[in-house]
Amino acid sequence: EAGVAQSPRYKIIEKRQSVAFWCNPISGHATLYWYQQILGQGPKLLIQFQNNGVVDDSQLPKDRFSAERLKGVDSTLKIQPAKLEDSAVYLCASSLGDRDAETQYFGPGTRLLVL
Amino acid sequence: AQSVTQLGSHVSVSEGALVLLRCNYSSSVPPYLFWYVQYPNQGLQLLLKYTTGATLVKGINGFEAEFKKSETSFHLTKPSAHMSDAAEYFCAGGEGNKLVFGAGTILRVKS
Repeated sequence: EAGVAQSPRYKIIEKRQSVAFWCNPISGHATLYWYQQILGQGPKLLIQFQNNGVVDDSQLPKDRFSAERLKGVDSTLKIQPAKLEDSAVYLCASSLGDRDAETQYFGPGTRLLVL
Repeated sequence: AQSVTQLGSHVSVSEGALVLLRCNYSSSVPPYLFWYVQYPNQGLQLLLKYTTGATLVKGINGFEAEFKKSETSFHLTKPSAHMSDAAEYFCAGGEGNKLVFGAGTILRVKS
């Protein structure tokens, strides 16, 4: 079974530029999550999708971050404009559904450096 | 709201020695608890999880964790460390299907 795929794996941009990350979840997984992992910290949930609808985006900085999952499969996360403090690893995860304690499967992440 | 604290950002053990990684949680509701491992440049992989029932949970790669409600703890153990266990370990608490992660503990295994 193929895992969660993410691209690119690494990205270096200058502040105020824009960047987009792509995620392809495990086939059949209805729930998709984007996490931000800053160096030295645990992952923090940014947004959760159930199929193509947003379930929770309470911790997404909506003035600069946006995400979509138009067909309920792939998802993109965009930052525009980027700030220095956005340097982090962006992890995508998926789960079969949204039941309590459902196991989440993580992709390898996209490491972003903002200069 | 759920919060998770991992004691010790770095733990170093000798190969063959006991591994003990500490995790405490705070929650006003019965928690779901998880341990994930992250190898360099890889995503997180589930080691084990506690939902209900037996308080001693066995996971992959010889790891296990015990849920102790009286101590609000969910420490991760392995009887004998291998070099391949060197990685970063995250404890997470769940509320519904949302995860709140601790800051992580980097495990170093010395030969």
